[in-house]
Amino acid sequence: EVQLQQSGPELVKPGASVKMSCKASGYTFTDYYMKWVKQSHGKSLEWIGDINPNNGDTFYNQKFKGKATLTVDKSSSTAYMQLNSLTSEDSAVYYCAKGGNYDYFDYWGQGTTLTVSS
Amino acid sequence: DIQMTQSPASLSVSVGETVTITCRASENIYSNLAWYQQKQGKSPQLLVYAATNLADGVPSRFSGSGSGTQYSLKINSLQSEDFGSYYCQHFWGTPWTFGGGTKLEIK
Repeated sequence: EVQLQQSGPELVKPGASVKMSCKASGYTFTDYYMKWVKQSHGKSLEWIGDINPNNGDTFYNQKFKGKATLTVDKSSSTAYMQLNSLTSEDSAVYYCAKGGNYDYFDYWGQGTTLTVSS
Repeated sequence: DIQMTQSPASLSVSVGETVTITCRASENIYSNLAWYQQKQGKSPQLLVYAATNLADGVPSRFSGSGSGTQYSLKINSLQSEDFGSYYCQHFWGTPWTFGGGTKLEIK
């Protein structure tokens, strides 16, 4: 059974950075892209970027370049996303999702809620 | 960027009814389209990929159709567990973008 277990909620101050994790199980981690998505409260979904866990190649939505940094640790089948220079606009739920055979999102983590507040 | 426009934005329906949600792309996406269901407070779940293929475990009352720029998700004989929000997403070139969503509510 494919599972993506994301790290817990974060409360951080404006200007700070945060790093959240997504631990994969139930499939070969290096065989599929890991994708990250932002969902602001009550809003639709925004693709942040993809990472190829096999070689670390990353592909970002231009909107999130400089804001998000995607990395992986193959030894623990864990993907990470770091968000920098946080503002209230970054408050949202962030999902990791496994890429399918094409660039759809076939399994999703439970989400990490980020709140940026002083 | 390819824009995905969903309609309607919301829909109030009764159990047992049939509903159709549409998604229009701003350019031809060659059936590179997926549909997701999201229940309140939960993560999205894949329903349909490549416009017409049901994901594993998705009931047969769901079906996807369309081509070019126009796509639809049809739900036959709505069940109580089908209420929630639905999103389309294209995967024809980055950035992958999602529609604004359709909220399906109980009448």
